[in-house]
Amino acid sequence: DTAVSQTPKYLVTQMGNDKSIKCEQNLGHDTMYWYKQDSKKFLKIMFSYNNKELIINETVPNRFSPKSPDKAHLNLHINSLELGDSAVYFCASSQRNIREAKNIQYFGAGTRLSVL
Amino acid sequence: TQLLEQSPQFLSIQEGENLTVYCNSSSVFSSLQWYRQEPGEGPVLLVTVVTGGEVKKLKRLTFQFGDARKDSSLHITAAQPGDTGLYLCASPGYSSASKIIFGSGTRLSIRP
Repeated sequence: DTAVSQTPKYLVTQMGNDKSIKCEQNLGHDTMYWYKQDSKKFLKIMFSYNNKELIINETVPNRFSPKSPDKAHLNLHINSLELGDSAVYFCASSQRNIREAKNIQYFGAGTRLSVL
Repeated sequence: TQLLEQSPQFLSIQEGENLTVYCNSSSVFSSLQWYRQEPGEGPVLLVTVVTGGEVKKLKRLTFQFGDARKDSSLHITAAQPGDTGLYLCASPGYSSASKIIFGSGTRLSIRP
């Protein structure tokens, strides 16, 4: 059973298109995240939701819109795709804890987005 | 400016050799985590260090948290091809928003 699953694993699309990436976790966690990993492998947080409420929203173009229909799902919709959006997008989940050391994130396998 | 700088950025060594990678910052952290990411997969947590000077061992991997809690190191003894991957240090976050900040990463390649 995959703990954090995201689909699709690969996404190749033309500039200007709109696309969505889906993420689901079966760990019972209350917090979910979207990260972007660029070609240099730098992993940067984009969004975080806790109990369906947006709690982290980094400086991300408003073409990116996350949606959390319930605690177990966090989807990412991207409008008007640009070449610079090409990257690997990771979904993650954790159980929010006031003790930092307990904040362990579980990652999906990633979605490799290529914008042509 | 990276909050967490890792060095080296790339490392390619022969199987059986020892190696150390570093994670440095000018900031003090209450804890640091190390993740390993294999090709085509997401990062997986290896360890969390909490106390200044703490040393944790995970088989051939030894993790140390600096006394001043500004840096950490990962030492691998007798590296094996299965150790190949991207090693990321991370700060779990300062507030209850639980925002993890990742380091710049070390790409490790172990040659058979």
